[in-house]
Amino acid sequence: QKEVEQNSGPLSVPEGAIASLNCTYSDRGSQSFFWYRQYSGKSPELIMSIYSNGDKEDGRFTAQLNKASQYVSLLIRDSQPSDSATYLCAVNRGSNYQLIWGAGTKLIIKP
Amino acid sequence: DAGVIQSPRHEVTEMGQEVTLRCKPISGHDYLFWYRQTMMRGLELLIYFNNNVPIDDSGMPEDRFSAKMPNASFSTLKIQPSEPRDSAVYFCASTSVYGQETQYFGPGTRLLVL
Repeated sequence: QKEVEQNSGPLSVPEGAIASLNCTYSDRGSQSFFWYRQYSGKSPELIMSIYSNGDKEDGRFTAQLNKASQYVSLLIRDSQPSDSATYLCAVNRGSNYQLIWGAGTKLIIKP
Repeated sequence: DAGVIQSPRHEVTEMGQEVTLRCKPISGHDYLFWYRQTMMRGLELLIYFNNNVPIDDSGMPEDRFSAKMPNASFSTLKIQPSEPRDSAVYFCASTSVYGQETQYFGPGTRLLVL
């Protein structure tokens, strides 16, 4: 079992709909959770970080964390073609700033 | 802020040659990470430094790979000798203890070993 798992996709969502991306992790001691977006041929960039159970909203993006079930999700409302990218989930297990990365989910927003 | 700077952006070399990748982290950041990304293996952590000291190099694939950070503003990743299976995108990222663990990535170096 991988430490951080994501569905590789591709996940195809119509423009204007809600895109839901999921990530599960194996280490119950994990403390910090991140969603990065990576456009093709570009470097990863941070979208959201979340540290406590519940929802965290930033514009069209909402991160959800459930430590009991060991999953973190990212919702993208009113999806736009510009949201088409690979979304990487990353988890920090402790205090050493080392992130464990998922393989990423490719999201395609269809106009 | 100029962000994380990497050079070269593209490198094409022949098997057996030495390759040196360079990284300048964001000023004031005290953590520096070297990653390798391929379609098959995704994003892999190779090594990371804290205050110029290597903390964990368990991700370095073999002795052909070495990394140094002689000062707070410069790091190198060297492959000697290079092999075709080393072909990948190599990213450098940095963060600060005050940055809530957010890692900022450089543009990457696309390495092709023929």
